[in-house]
Amino acid sequence: KAGVTQTPRYLIKTRGQQVTLSCSPISGHRSVSWYQQTPGQGLQFLFEYFSETQRNKGNFPGRFSGRQFSNSRSEMNVSTLELGDSALYLCASSGGRPNTEAFFGQGTRLTVV
Amino acid sequence: GESVGLHLPTLSVQEGDNSIINCAYSNSASDYFIWYKQESGKGPQFIIDIRSNMDKRQGQRVTVLLNKTVKHLSLQIAATQPGDSAVYFCADYNYGQNFVFGPGTRLSVLP
Repeated sequence: KAGVTQTPRYLIKTRGQQVTLSCSPISGHRSVSWYQQTPGQGLQFLFEYFSETQRNKGNFPGRFSGRQFSNSRSEMNVSTLELGDSALYLCASSGGRPNTEAFFGQGTRLTVV
Repeated sequence: GESVGLHLPTLSVQEGDNSIINCAYSNSASDYFIWYKQESGKGPQFIIDIRSNMDKRQGQRVTVLLNKTVKHLSLQIAATQPGDSAVYFCADYNYGQNFVFGPGTRLSVLP
């Protein structure tokens, strides 16, 4: 069974630009969660999508948004990039029940210059 | 997990010794916990989980202990190997916030 796939692996963007990251969950998984990982703040929850609907949301500004498609693939978008958005963005996939195993992808390393 | 300023504790152990990594969580309502291992340049890898109706769970070379009274988790790794070197995170599931991660502990295995 293929794991969680995130694309691209690395990305360099300029301040003010916008970016879209993609996540394909494990086959059969319906929940996709996004996390931001930085050295200063650690792993922080962004949002979760389940069956194309946002189920939970963390404390991030509205510049961070996401969506999920009918095949459970998810995209995350960050608009008006700031230097502080430089981070590893991780996607986690789970079956769907809230408190069950979550499996992570390799992440997308975003650098904002 | 409890994010307390993000200094990353480091644990150094001799190859072959047992390792114990500790973690505190803050939400007394949390009922599901996971330990993850993260190697450099990779995403967190699921190691073992435990629910709040248990206080101990064993896997292959790993044991997780849960003390709900003091909101504490520990991960024990038996016969630590060089391949165990990584950052280890505990995470507790908070309804509405998904998983809340601790700051992590860096495990270094000495030859």
